[in-house]
Amino acid sequence: EAQVTQNPRYLITVTGKKLTVTCSQNMNHEYMSWYRQDPGLGLRQIYYSMNVEVTDKGDVPEGYKVSRKEKRNFPLILESPSPNQTSLYFCASSSTSTHQDGYQETQYFGPGTRLLVL
Amino acid sequence: GQQLNQSPQSMFIQEGEDVSMNCTSSSIFNTWLWYKQDPGEGPVLLIALYKAGELTSNGRLTAQFGTTRKDSFLNISASIPSDVGIYFCAGQLRNFGAGKSTFGDGTTLTVKP
Repeated sequence: EAQVTQNPRYLITVTGKKLTVTCSQNMNHEYMSWYRQDPGLGLRQIYYSMNVEVTDKGDVPEGYKVSRKEKRNFPLILESPSPNQTSLYFCASSSTSTHQDGYQETQYFGPGTRLLVL
Repeated sequence: GQQLNQSPQSMFIQEGEDVSMNCTSSSIFNTWLWYKQDPGEGPVLLIALYKAGELTSNGRLTAQFGTTRKDSFLNISASIPSDVGIYFCAGQLRNFGAGKSTFGDGTTLTVKP
């Protein structure tokens, strides 16, 4: 079954305590992204990766780090979490293939990680 | 960064009615995407659009890539209760659906049986 898994699903932590949210996909997708979702603000992209060892900033990268050492994993690292990073985080993976009729997009989001930083 | 204006913010409709929502941007995108999010779940990709003027359907859903490349539209025909959720548009600069993405703030759809 095609899926994107995130761990943990829920986390309560304190300011300054480093944490990592893992993301793993089993579809051999090249592209992976991290988003945060806050009430009234929709989804905002934190970082994305076009392939192994290739990462780039989204719209809100401050306070976050990522790495892409293997195709399947794209962990999100908060070196020193602060309360304004309290949010719902989603990881996503995708691929685009070409067909006779054009392109076909395959994209999956993980179930989300709800983070509370006290 | 770039911003997307998605409207309306919310809609309350009767089952069976058609729905229209749209997204506009101050700058161009090369890919437009539409998603649906159910409570407690991650977004699900509904339709991806890659060319200006393109019109693509997915069941009762039809989306269009605006000719100026600064807007996109989503229509849902003959709405049913399971259409309830939040619909998001997203624009990307890359020609394929990958890379830097900007999302609209969502349209919350409520369908009354």
